[in-house]
Amino acid sequence: DVKVTQSSRYLVKRTGEKVFLECVQDMDHENMFWYRQDPGLGLRLIYFSYDVKMKEKGDIPEGYSVSREKKERFSLILESASTNQTSMYLCASSLPAGWNEQFFGPGTRLTVL
Amino acid sequence: AQRVTQPEKLLSVFKGAPVELKCNYSYSGSPELFWYVQYSRQRLQLLLRHISRESIKGFTADLNKGETSFHLKKPFAQEEDSAMYYCALSPDRGSTLGRLYFGRGTQLTVWP
Repeated sequence: DVKVTQSSRYLVKRTGEKVFLECVQDMDHENMFWYRQDPGLGLRLIYFSYDVKMKEKGDIPEGYSVSREKKERFSLILESASTNQTSMYLCASSLPAGWNEQFFGPGTRLTVL
Repeated sequence: AQRVTQPEKLLSVFKGAPVELKCNYSYSGSPELFWYVQYSRQRLQLLLRHISRESIKGFTADLNKGETSFHLKKPFAQEEDSAMYYCALSPDRGSTLGRLYFGRGTQLTVWP
């Protein structure tokens, strides 16, 4: 009954590498989100998308970019990974409108060495 | 600017005791408020939201617009309630963008 999937559960990369995190949802949701989750800082929104090819910056977009070529898929790209991007990355999706539930993926724990 | 504050990083209670997780927000409009929960090794999931007026797993939350609070309460805590709890705010119920602002979370531990 998995609805939001993320391409990797654990990922280890080196500083300077380009990193792709993939998220797929099967609920036909318009909205998709990328968060990073850090102890003591909660969830912080990196980018979100409300339609194919549409994107909005969240609160911490620096060092990241996103791509949404298909409705079901939302990719997070770290152009040049740095150690301070070591974190847990969560993808979520929802229907439009602010009262709707966001459904989360299992997360990708990224370590940048 | 929107802000969600959860003043307690850690909260411990004994089984059967009442528990209250605090959430305060700052926003001048008509927000929608949520509580999300993450049990150990599970994905983050919705616990309850104000608009639904539901009681989930014995938890309730009342929106107090005067105090701008949305505290989560349960009269008798259970060990399986141990988890990380996040309060979240959606600035505009009708907005199609639907982004959320999360608090920093409260780790609840219920001791046997």
